[in-house]
Amino acid sequence: DIVMTQSPDSLAVSLGERATISCKSSQSILYRSGNKHSLAWFQQKPGQPPKLLIYWASTRESGVPDRFSGSGSGTDFTLTISSLQAEDVAVYYCQQYDSTPYTFGQGTKLEIK
Amino acid sequence: EVQLVESGGGLVKPGGSLRLSCAASGFTFTNAWMNWVRQAPGKGLEWVGRIKRRTDGGTTDYAAPVKGRITISRDDSKNTVYLQMSSLKTEDTAVYYCVGATTLVLGYWGQGTLVTVSS
Repeated sequence: DIVMTQSPDSLAVSLGERATISCKSSQSILYRSGNKHSLAWFQQKPGQPPKLLIYWASTRESGVPDRFSGSGSGTDFTLTISSLQAEDVAVYYCQQYDSTPYTFGQGTKLEIK
Repeated sequence: EVQLVESGGGLVKPGGSLRLSCAASGFTFTNAWMNWVRQAPGKGLEWVGRIKRRTDGGTTDYAAPVKGRITISRDDSKNTVYLQMSSLKTEDTAVYYCVGATTLVLGYWGQGTLVTVSS
């Protein structure tokens, strides 16, 4: 199974500042076409289902604010929130869909400093 | 508007069985690979299994902790996917989310249904 490891486990950032979450996969999740990675980021607020933010490592889902961006390649990926807003307080998960079993990172809890 | 509505959750004794249903609307269900993802109380997300669309064979894949104890099926005429669970264990206690994927990506999530396994 592909293991997804996020860091840090929790993060406190001031409003308007940048937040960065890392995700590392235990093996390559390069899609068979060779030009994109099978990596998604989700945001989950208390009492709600996860919400898709980013897929193919860097494609923003429709309706997601452009302060959210994804990057990375190989086995190292990053979710960046360029200017933290109060509504961004949540737990964030990365997930690989390269092969089953699909696996998630353990989650990163993002709070306001 | 995409909607996925799960039902069938509840309290069940260890060793018991339960069938969850998920009714989908707002997207082309027949094109979607349907997944189940669960979340134990206060814990992270765990993929449970999926069923491919009929044109991709309609085959299923399951996570190791539940393999042999669950069956995922779909009824395209009703835009509904099912999760049949048996030999339930206390560690199966979780919110179960129905998730639709049209391009591998887990894009459409239901609100979830809580399954509690307890004596």
